[in-house]
Amino acid sequence: NAGVTQTPKFRILKIGQSMTLQCTQDMNHNYMYWYRQDPGMGLKLIYYSVGAGITDKGEVPNGYNVSRSTTEDFPLRLELAAPSQTSVYFCASSARDRSNQPQHFGDGTRLSIL
Amino acid sequence: DQQVKQNSPSLSVQEGRISILNCDYTNSMFDYFLWYKKYPAEGPTFLISISSIKDKNEDGRFTVFLNKSAKHLSLHIVPSQPGDSAVYFCAAKIGRDSNYQLIWGAGTKLIIKP
Repeated sequence: NAGVTQTPKFRILKIGQSMTLQCTQDMNHNYMYWYRQDPGMGLKLIYYSVGAGITDKGEVPNGYNVSRSTTEDFPLRLELAAPSQTSVYFCASSARDRSNQPQHFGDGTRLSIL
Repeated sequence: DQQVKQNSPSLSVQEGRISILNCDYTNSMFDYFLWYKKYPAEGPTFLISISSIKDKNEDGRFTVFLNKSAKHLSLHIVPSQPGDSAVYFCAAKIGRDSNYQLIWGAGTKLIIKP
């Protein structure tokens, strides 16, 4: 029972590099989310998707891009890494049936930009 | 401005006693509240929730109380066990159907002493 799987778990990037954080879920959830968590802060929503082909901005979308070509996958792209993007990134998914369905999280990707 | 505040960064409780974690919010449009638990190097996991039309919800050792007039909710854990040592996040839902977002508090680290 894998749930939400994120790769990689850790990554160090140089300023200006790009990378894609991978997220896949096997629960057939329509809703998927990307959050970032900075030290001492709550989670901030970066982007979300309510189904394949549909994405929308969250609270802190600048510097990121997403795509949702399948129900299972929701990759997050950093095009020009900046030190301010050093954070722990969490992907989550939830069922579509009711908006009060809890979100299920992956174990996170710890990203450092140096 | 933080719409969801957890003012205690940490809390230490003796095993077997009651743990009370607090959360304050400012936005009266929040219609649903959730508590998540997070262990190190793992993603948050859903614990318990409460609708804004209720004042109490109970699930085993966990009870959440909501005081709408005070814009305050609390999570009670009775009795506290060593496995309860974790960071607890309060989150509040705003919006409807596919256009909702969760606003997260910064978390409270609960330490259960043997």
